[in-house]
Parts: sequence; C-alpha cells; structure tokens
Amino acid sequence: EIVLTQSPDFQSVTPKEKVTITCRASQSIGSGLHWFQQKPDQSPKLLVKYASQSMPGVPSRFSGSGSGTDFTLTINSLEAEDAAAYYCHQSSTLPLTFGGGTKVEIK
Amino acid sequence: EAQLVQSGAEAKKPGESLRISCQGSGYTFTSYWISWVRQMPGKGLEWMGRIDPSDSYADYSPSFQGHVTISADKSISTAYLQWSSLKASDTAIYYCATIGFNYDTDYWGQGTLVTVSS
Repeated sequence: EIVLTQSPDFQSVTPKEKVTITCRASQSIGSGLHWFQQKPDQSPKLLVKYASQSMPGVPSRFSGSGSGTDFTLTINSLEAEDAAAYYCHQSSTLPLTFGGGTKVEIK
Repeated sequence: EAQLVQSGAEAKKPGESLRISCQGSGYTFTSYWISWVRQMPGKGLEWMGRIDPSDSYADYSPSFQGHVTISADKSISTAYLQWSSLKASDTAIYYCATIGFNYDTDYWGQGTLVTVSS
C-alpha cells in the first residue's frame, strides 16, 4: 500500500500569507496525485487533479506541483474562506489512499 | 445539476446489519466509478473501495475487505455500502463520490452518519 505523508499536520496562517502543504508518497506514483479541500461540516471538494491540473472554478491562488514521490499544494495569498482541511490522494496504485490531512486555520 | 444523494443517518447496535445508499442524478450513472470514503469522528479520509456501476465490478482496500460489501443497481442509479455485522468502531461518516478512476469531475454525497452503540 502506498503511504502518503503530509506536512504539516496543522498550520495557523494570517490572511494574504502564502501556504505550502507537502505530500510525500512511499513510492513513485507518477502524476497520480490529487488534492481535496474539506471545509467544516462539508463534503470534500477536488481542487487539483493529476498533481498540477486545477479544477474548473477553483480560485487561481490554488496550485499544485510535483511528480514521482514529492508533491506540493500552494495557496497564494490566503483568504479567510480557505480555512479547511486539505488532503492529498493517490490513484496510481490500488488500494487508493489518502494522506493524513493538513488543517489550515486563519489567525 | 449532477448530484449524489445519500440515505439518512443510522443508529445501530453492534452485530446488526446495515445497508446505506447513494443515488446519482443529473448525469449518466454508469459513466463514473463510485468510491466510498470513511471519516471517523475528528479524523481524516479513508478510501474503502470503489465500484464500476456499468458492470458492478468492485475493488476494496485491504483494510475493509471482508467487512463491507459494495454493490450497485444501475437501473435505479444507486450504489450501496453494506455491513453484515457492525462494530462500534464502524461509527463514522460515510461518503460516496465519483472518484477512484476518472478525476475529470467529482460529485460527492452529503455523507451518511452511522452510529454503532450498545
């Protein structure tokens, strides 16, 4: 099973600050890595598919990068509405897996 | 508007059986695999398994294989997650979603809270 390790687990950030969340896979997964956002009491939402492809309607301040084993989700100029948990997820190899999540809090 | 609508919250006792449902509408149900995702209280997301609604072929995570059954009835655009013997540790919110094979879009159900307690 591919283990996805996210860091940090938690981040408290002021508005307009840049946020970087990393996801490391236990073995190479090519570009089969996706990022989800889950706001409190809501269902998750896909932000970035296949490492770097932003989903339609997602604000341009969200971007993804990486390939192989190391991936990054960047939020440029954080806004209050971005308070959420963020999860990476790999679809390269069965069983599919999620990272442990990163909670982003607004200061 | 495409959507997945899940069945309502359930309160069960250990050892009881349960089936929850996920009905798709507004899109061709057989076009996207359906995954089931568990979220235990205050915890992260766990992928349980997926099903191809066109032929009901299913894959499972080893962590859930043998404890749950995923099925689908394409005639009524509905996927199911089933337990034959619930445990207290099955207490969680369960989501269905059109992820697991094609990530061109993602539709998520609203989640079904399952509480297992004696």
